[in-house]
Amino acid sequence: NAGVTQTPKFRILKIGQSMTLQCAQDMNHNYMYWYRQDPGMGLKLIYYSVGAGITDKGEVPNGYNVSRSTTEDFPLRLELAAPSQTSVYFCASSYSRLAGGETQYFGPGTRLLVL
Amino acid sequence: GQQVMQIPQYQHVQEGEDFTTYCNSSTTLSNIQWYKQRPGGHPVFLIQLVKSGEVKKQKRLTFQFGEAKKNSSLHITATQTTDVGTYFCAGRNSGGSNYKLTFGKGTLLTVNP
Repeated sequence: NAGVTQTPKFRILKIGQSMTLQCAQDMNHNYMYWYRQDPGMGLKLIYYSVGAGITDKGEVPNGYNVSRSTTEDFPLRLELAAPSQTSVYFCASSYSRLAGGETQYFGPGTRLLVL
Repeated sequence: GQQVMQIPQYQHVQEGEDFTTYCNSSTTLSNIQWYKQRPGGHPVFLIQLVKSGEVKKQKRLTFQFGEAKKNSSLHITATQTTDVGTYFCAGRNSGGSNYKLTFGKGTLLTVNP
């Protein structure tokens, strides 16, 4: 299994541009998540999905959109890039929904720089 | 909302010294997870604690979950250069959803050989 894969690894955007960060997992996990990580700030949840066709906002959803048309894929869309969105973005997935039974598997991350 | 505080933010040790990071939640947790992130890497799951007062060991790493399920600690005995990285705790609110974790800001450990 490849686990969780993310593309691209690195991207530079100009202010106002849009882009889609791709995330895919081959572990048949129902739950998928998008986090952003700023230096010294830990991980902030942007959006999450509990299954195909179901998504919900996390802690910091403004400026982002997601879709989940299949179990495997969970792309993150930035419509109008802003410098505040410069960060490292991690996608993660998990299998179990039972309390005490869940582990999140993270992708390698996408480094985004907005200038 | 739920807050998970982690201290210290940074810790520099000499190889062979011990290291401890502490995690405190503003609310009671159903479980707590620990992750390690190497420099330039992604978070990797280490362990999950579920029971009040639980203690688990992984070689030189000892994880504890407080009796009130509001705090946790990770202790590394005799650190090695391979221990370098940021250690995150992540807790799930006992009254909240079963699939959202709140991460602490992490403790960055550096080890001088």
